[in-house]
Amino acid sequence: RKEVEQDPGPFNVPEGATVAFNCTYSNSASQSFFWYRQDCRKEPKLLMSVYSSGNEDGRFTALLNRASQYISLLIRDSKLSDSATYLCVVTGGATNKLIFGTGTLLAVQP
Amino acid sequence: NAGVMQNPRHLVRRRGQEARLRCSPMKGHSHVYWYRQLPEEGLKFMVYLQKENIIDESGMPKERFSAEFPKEGPSILRIQQVVRGDSAAYFCASSSDTWTGGVETQYFGPGTRLLVL
Repeated sequence: RKEVEQDPGPFNVPEGATVAFNCTYSNSASQSFFWYRQDCRKEPKLLMSVYSSGNEDGRFTALLNRASQYISLLIRDSKLSDSATYLCVVTGGATNKLIFGTGTLLAVQP
Repeated sequence: NAGVMQNPRHLVRRRGQEARLRCSPMKGHSHVYWYRQLPEEGLKFMVYLQKENIIDESGMPKERFSAEFPKEGPSILRIQQVVRGDSAAYFCASSSDTWTGGVETQYFGPGTRLLVL
């Protein structure tokens, strides 16, 4: 079983749509959770950290359910510029190393 | 404030040659992480270094791969006797020294794309 699992997609949505990505992780000891965004052939960039209480940043909302070991990302009012791969990331072990899911590809259509 | 820098951005090697990848962390950062992204796969942790110390190398292949982060200069990821399976994007990330009781954000460099012919 992979440490972090995501639906690879692709998710093809029209502009303005709301889209949700889900992710599960296997290590109950994981302490920190993130969503990164990766554009084609570029480096990952931090989109947002995920807190137990849930958090929102503009059109983006992240939720964490520790009991179910489940993380989600909601994007409202999708823009063309949101097209990218979204990476679910958790920390592993005592050294803050990041464990990445394989990513979910989002394509926002005009 | 310059971000994380990596060079070269693209590297072509023939089988059996050596590859050296360099990473300069952000100013004020002394924690460096290396990750590898194979084609069509997710990023995988390789090694975590602080100045002059390897802290966690649990993701490094047992042979041919080594990493260092000297007191002066960039961190180096070295791959000896490269094989076609080493073709991948290698990303370096850095984080700060400041301990805030939480997890410090890792900032990624643009990566080095290694192609082994």
